[in-house]
Amino acid sequence: QVRLVQSGSELEEPGASVTVSCKASGYTFTDHAVYWLRQAPGQGLEYMGWINTNTGGTFYAQGFRRRFVFSLDTSVSTAYLQISDLSVEDSAVYYCARDSGGIVGGIFVYWGQGTLVTVSA
Amino acid sequence: DFVMTQSPDSLAVSLGERAAMNCKSSQTVLYHANNKNYLAWYQQKPGQPPKLLISWASTRESGVPDRFSGSGSGTDFTLTISSLQAEDVAVYYCQQYFTTSSVTFGGGTRVEIK
Repeated sequence: QVRLVQSGSELEEPGASVTVSCKASGYTFTDHAVYWLRQAPGQGLEYMGWINTNTGGTFYAQGFRRRFVFSLDTSVSTAYLQISDLSVEDSAVYYCARDSGGIVGGIFVYWGQGTLVTVSA
Repeated sequence: DFVMTQSPDSLAVSLGERAAMNCKSSQTVLYHANNKNYLAWYQQKPGQPPKLLISWASTRESGVPDRFSGSGSGTDFTLTISSLQAEDVAVYYCQQYFTTSSVTFGGGTRVEIK
């Protein structure tokens, strides 16, 4: 079965960087894009963008184009989200997700369990 | 940009009663070429990732109880729970996926037991 397993919670100081990993299993990793989403405490869902796991091409939504980088290691079926120059506003749960695999993307059927990133001095 | 507005922010319904929530898009999510509405509904329980309930405005995912139904077209959509169960307490989000460069979510509706 399809599984997305994310790395554990992180506590970082302002100005630091953090990397969240998302390891996929149960399907051919390079057949489906990996999406990233954010949820601040008590808030709704924000779409961050995606990475094409076949080509490495990326799309970043508005608000996520400066300090956020998506990357891959296809040898271990893992996607990464790196956030640099962290601020307290980056404190959130970060999710990776995979879509249904149809012609149309953006229907998030499979989700990682989420990674809590806390930024605090 | 697509702005998704959900209402109400929260609702309290007695067990076994009907719960209905709305989602309004600032632009149509109906793609006329295929007559499909690019609209999904998710359920999120505390401490869990969202779970896809409905895609294409009205197509239930496999395993989703048939008390959940989606309706609407164009810019106005409704998620209905026909007979609320205790396990349905959650926050429900609508989402448009007209393009993967413009995916947006509504602010959510919290469903509680009265």
